[in-house]
Amino acid sequence: NAGVMQNPRHLVRRRGQEARLRCSPMKGHSHVYWYRQLPEEGLKFMVYLQKENIIDESGMPKERFSAEFPKEGPSILRIQQVVRGDSAAYFCASSPEQYGYTFGSGTRLTVV
Amino acid sequence: QQQVKQSPQSLIVQKGGISIINCAYENTAFDYFPWYQQFPGKGPALLIAIRPDVSEKKEGRFTISFNKSAKQFSLHIMDSQPGDSATYFCAANWMDSSYKLIFGSGTRLLVRP
Repeated sequence: NAGVMQNPRHLVRRRGQEARLRCSPMKGHSHVYWYRQLPEEGLKFMVYLQKENIIDESGMPKERFSAEFPKEGPSILRIQQVVRGDSAAYFCASSPEQYGYTFGSGTRLTVV
Repeated sequence: QQQVKQSPQSLIVQKGGISIINCAYENTAFDYFPWYQQFPGKGPALLIAIRPDVSEKKEGRFTISFNKSAKQFSLHIMDSQPGDSATYFCAANWMDSSYKLIFGSGTRLLVRP
């Protein structure tokens, strides 16, 4: 069992570029969650997805951020026109049901 | 109302000592209180969790104490070891949104040999 796989582990983007973060859930898990961790802070919920559906995106910034979990392939968190304030660690978690989830090792995004 | 306040921000303990981390919450609808351990460069990993119908839960050297009336819960690490050095997060959620964890701000624990 490979666990929750996130890639890339580190991502550097210039201001204005797009960032694409990928998350492959654990085998058999159909629920995916994205959290953001700013330096020296706890994790903040962003979005909850099931296959082809966004269930709760209440933690997503209204602009520039989007997420998807297609029928085939990994979940993608997309950040358009990145700004310095987007620099953070982005964690994906997956679960077989709505609790008891497992986190991946995260993607550290640095905007320069 | 959806905040979980965690203290201290950092903690230094000698090997063999007891580490104590505290959390407080406001939302009485919270009904699940997990603790996560995070090592540098890794994602948080579930350590131990409690529901409000019990006042204490123990797993090995780790104990959660829960005070429902005070809306506080704490993590005790007995016989702390250098390998316990990590950042610890308390969290909470509630049945209506059981998938959405509200995290505290974290405690960086250093256990000196």
